Amino acid sequence: DQQVKQNSPSLSVQEGRISILNCDYTNSMFDYFLWYKKYPAEGPTFLISISSIKDKNEDGRFTVFLNKSAKHLSLHIVPSQPGDSAVYFCAASDGNNRLAFGKGNQVVVIP
Amino acid sequence: KAGVTQTPRYLIKTRGQQVTLSCSPISGHRSVSWYQQTPGQGLQFLFEYFSETQRNKGNFPGRFSGRQFSNSRSEMNVSTLELGDSALYLCASSQGQGASGANVLTFGAGSRLTVL
Repeated sequence: DQQVKQNSPSLSVQEGRISILNCDYTNSMFDYFLWYKKYPAEGPTFLISISSIKDKNEDGRFTVFLNKSAKHLSLHIVPSQPGDSAVYFCAASDGNNRLAFGKGNQVVVIP
Repeated sequence: KAGVTQTPRYLIKTRGQQVTLSCSPISGHRSVSWYQQTPGQGLQFLFEYFSETQRNKGNFPGRFSGRQFSNSRSEMNVSTLELGDSALYLCASSQGQGASGANVLTFGAGSRLTVL
């Protein structure tokens, strides 16, 4: 069963606007969450992460929000740039290197 | 610092054959994990090796196996290939255990397997 779910497989956004990606999880044992970005013909690249003891983590244009009670996290990209066009994966860990991934969101930033 | 290197990048096999994929982790990284990526299932965990020992295993049949050598390089093998094994196989390395900020998985570019 899919423990990490990413709905809305694709998202198109104008350059300069905000991109919001959502992720839901079912396993309450998850205590660390990560976002990876993937370009075609490349492996996923780590973007940003958040521990379950926090509700927000910010790194430049990228901010991840965690709502533990709702088992929901989101990634905000502000402002969106054409180079952000990629597939974004949400992943979760229960303390080991066995990550559970969502199926990914395709983001297209329109110049 | 060299990244995670996977070979071969692309390969084509026929049903019933077997395949071996190789992964060289980042220097100093002792943990190597393998994931299968397919369009329908996304990334699914296969197994993880740490110091030559399998520490975690995903829900894949016994046809999927792996090993890790003393230099942390890892191989995975798939025997009796099926059409559904066509996928991108990704290797990731990390310094230790636990997905924390200090131990983020770094992925290779993957090995694209096509089974005909």
